[in-house]
Amino acid sequence: NAGVMQNPRHLVRRRGQEARLRCSPMKGHSHVYWYRQLPEEGLKFMVYLQKENIIDESGMPKERFSAEFPKEGPSILRIQQVVRGDSAAYFCASSEGGASGNTIYFGEGSWLTVV
Amino acid sequence: RKEVEQDPGPFNVPEGATVAFNCTYSNSASQSFFWYRQDCRKEPKLLMSVYSSGNEDGRFTAQLNRASQYISLLIRDSKLSDSATYLCVVIFSGGYNKLIFGAGTRLAVHP
Repeated sequence: NAGVMQNPRHLVRRRGQEARLRCSPMKGHSHVYWYRQLPEEGLKFMVYLQKENIIDESGMPKERFSAEFPKEGPSILRIQQVVRGDSAAYFCASSEGGASGNTIYFGEGSWLTVV
Repeated sequence: RKEVEQDPGPFNVPEGATVAFNCTYSNSASQSFFWYRQDCRKEPKLLMSVYSSGNEDGRFTAQLNRASQYISLLIRDSKLSDSATYLCVVIFSGGYNKLIFGAGTRLAVHP
């Protein structure tokens, strides 16, 4: 039973390009969370999705960032027109249910470097 | 004020030492509490949940004080392999699994 799979693990983009980060939740999990970790900081909640629905995007920057979790396929975090400040580790997590008490499992992260 | 606050450290301790970390949270309605461990350039991993009655897992003991809104982690007989960043994590009441992370406390155990 594979864990939460993220790819790419490392991504380098030039300023102004787009970054797409993919997350396949654990088998049987329909709840996905994205977190961002800037250097020397803790993880910050970005967005919580269920299949085809965004439940909470209160942590997403208002511009350039979007997330989806389609009926088929992985969840995608998309960053348009990247800037140097977007350089960070992006962690995806999944759980079987959304209520607290459901264990959350993290992927190994995607490290974005903007040059 | 940050929702979850921790002393960033680093805590530099010799092997065998006992070390304690504290964490405070701002939302009195918080309902679930955890300690996670994160190694350099790795994902966070659940170390233990924290209950009001306190809980122990081998060399690790976690305590929750709801009245003072703080959580603690005690590590006894530190090992070199305990070197990592320890993240205090809270779920605020609100119905779903939204983890709020502290910035972490770094621990370095030396021979």
